[in-house]
Amino acid sequence: RKEVEQDPGPFNVPEGATVAFNCTYSNSASQSFFWYRQDCRKEPKLLMSVYSSGNEDGRFTAQLNRASQYISLLIRDSKLSDSATYLCVVSGNTPLVFGKGTRLSVIA
Amino acid sequence: DVKVTQSSRYLVKRTGEKVFLECVQDMDHENMFWYRQDPGLGLRLIYFSYDVKMKEKGDIPEGYSVSREKKERFSLILESASTNQTSMYLCASSFEGIDNSPLHFGNGTRLTVT
Repeated sequence: RKEVEQDPGPFNVPEGATVAFNCTYSNSASQSFFWYRQDCRKEPKLLMSVYSSGNEDGRFTAQLNRASQYISLLIRDSKLSDSATYLCVVSGNTPLVFGKGTRLSVIA
Repeated sequence: DVKVTQSSRYLVKRTGEKVFLECVQDMDHENMFWYRQDPGLGLRLIYFSYDVKMKEKGDIPEGYSVSREKKERFSLILESASTNQTSMYLCASSFEGIDNSPLHFGNGTRLTVT
């Protein structure tokens, strides 16, 4: 099993829709979790950390399910500017492990 | 705000050349990293460093070496560039624990080896 797995997408959603991505991880000892956003031909940028109790930042909600070993990202009221690739990041035995990302396209 | 600066945005080199990619961070971070990113393969860790003069191999160190003589600077060296090293190279830094602090990335160097 791969360390961090994400559905590559693309997820094509209309403006205003709610969309959710999941990311599964294999290391049950992982303690730190993050979501990054990467625009085409740009560097990844930290979107938000994921806390055990779940956390929200505006239209974005991140949750952690330790029992099933996955984290999720929910985007409400999608904007055209949300179109990007979303990378799931998990702590492991070495430096943080990155998923390959899920592509989101928000369509007018 | 954390600033990670990579010396070149685009670079074109010939097969067999020795290539230096430079990265500087201004936040006194202990940890620095070099990744490469290729379509369909995601981010792959080449080398990382958790202190000056310290270095650790990542997942794909073959064909690369690194240098960290000063805390703020982490250099990636391609000893003899090959066409399969054409890629986007990303430098990153973080502070505190090497596996629990978020990474801050530079804006990348797109290297083409012909």
